[in-house]
Amino acid sequence: GNSVTQMEGPVTLSEEAFLTINCTYTATGYPSLFWYVQYPGEGLQLLLKATKADDKGSNKGFEATYRKETTSFHLEKGSVQVSDSAVYFCALTTRSGGGADGLTFGKGTHLIIQP
Amino acid sequence: NAGVTQTPKFQVLKTGQSMTLQCAQDMNHEYMSWYRQDPGMGLRLIHYSVGAGITDQGEVPNGYNVSRSTTEDFPLRLLSAAPSQTSVYFCASSNGQGKGTEAFFGQGTRLTVV
Repeated sequence: GNSVTQMEGPVTLSEEAFLTINCTYTATGYPSLFWYVQYPGEGLQLLLKATKADDKGSNKGFEATYRKETTSFHLEKGSVQVSDSAVYFCALTTRSGGGADGLTFGKGTHLIIQP
Repeated sequence: NAGVTQTPKFQVLKTGQSMTLQCAQDMNHEYMSWYRQDPGMGLRLIHYSVGAGITDQGEVPNGYNVSRSTTEDFPLRLLSAAPSQTSVYFCASSNGQGKGTEAFFGQGTRLTVV
C-alpha cells in the first residue's frame, strides 16, 4: 500500500530562519507528490506539487524536489515569515483522478514562526 | 468564488443520532470525496465518487453512507453516531484529469458525538 511519513512537530522557528520539513513515502506504482497547507480554522489548500522524478515544485518561496531514489519530497523555504505558521501535509496519490479519489496523507507538521 | 462549501461548520450529536453533512461544489468537478481528520492521524479517506451515480469506499468507510445524485452535491450520512466519529470532516473535489490534479477542500465540519 501507500504511506507517507513526515516529521510531526510542532516545529518552532524564528522569523527569517531556514525551514526544512522532511517527507518520505512508499507507494505501489508511480505517485504524484503534493504539499498541502492548512491555516488555522481553514481547509487544506495546495502549496506545491510534482508529478515525476526530479521535478521541483515551488510556490510562495517554498520548494520541494521529487527524489525517486530516496523516495523523498522534503519541503524547504529559505526565510520563513510569521504568516507561514500553519500545518503542512505531505501527500501522494497513485490514482488517475488526482486528489479527490484518494490522497494518502502524512500526519501533518505544525509549524510555528515566532517574530 | 464559492469553490467547495460544507455545512454545518460545527455540530454536536448524541450517540445514536443520525445526521447528514452537506457538501456542494460549483466547479463542475467530476471527482468528490470525504476525509476525516483526527489528531496525529492526518486525513483519511472515507468515501469518494468519480461522477454522478458512482461511489466507492475509502480507507475508513464503516458507519458512513454516501450517494451522488448530481455533479454538484455529495452528502455524507452518519446512520447512528458513535463517539469514535468525533472528528473534523473535509469534503474535496477535483476535475480528475490525471494524477497531478489539485484537490480543492472545503473549510470542514467539526463534529462532536457525546
